[in-house]
Amino acid sequence: SAVISQKPSRDICQRGTSLTIQCQVDSQVTMMFWYRQQPGQSLTLIATANQGSEATYESGFVIDKFPISRPNLTFSTLTVSNMSPEDSSIYLCSANQGGELFFGEGSRLTVL
Amino acid sequence: GENVGLHLPTLSVQEGDNSIINCAYSNSASDYFIWYKQESGKGPQFIIDIRSNMDKRQGQRVTVLLNKTVKHLSLQIAATQPGDSAVYFCAEINSGGSNYKLTFGKGTLLTVNP
Repeated sequence: SAVISQKPSRDICQRGTSLTIQCQVDSQVTMMFWYRQQPGQSLTLIATANQGSEATYESGFVIDKFPISRPNLTFSTLTVSNMSPEDSSIYLCSANQGGELFFGEGSRLTVL
Repeated sequence: GENVGLHLPTLSVQEGDNSIINCAYSNSASDYFIWYKQESGKGPQFIIDIRSNMDKRQGQRVTVLLNKTVKHLSLQIAATQPGDSAVYFCAEINSGGSNYKLTFGKGTLLTVNP
């Protein structure tokens, strides 16, 4: 099974700033995804991180707000730009390996 | 602890009882379903899956039932233990789609009382 590490695990941020979350997988994976989980809610897919090309965003999410990088088959970053309190959430990285989707522990962001 | 239970349906059971968690899915084209367990402060963890050509699948202490007619999925946990306390999500996917994109249900908070 794939082991996924995210950092930071949590952070408190000021309104208007940006924060980049890193996701490292311990093996090469074809597909990586970023999810958001707002307090008390389910998981919502933000985008698919494509290696070597632009990410594929879901409805309601745009690249300017959530730029994503995927420079290789084991690493991806998600930036939450120009944050507002509404962006306070858990952001989860996931990867598909062998047909199973594994998740990181999540990065809990609180925006003041 | 985390506040993931604030807006979620809840199920409270006694240790040793059986638990049944239900989920209604939305896409009739979905052909693969997964149950995840999310403990406080952690990411979701795979429990069991089922494909649409099956009605039932059993794992260790867990059983998933699929009713495609009414688009309903259930997770049964036998002899529930305190360690089973968590939020449980069902997820659906259309495996014929262009990518492995899961859609998650609302989640149910299971609390096991010792």
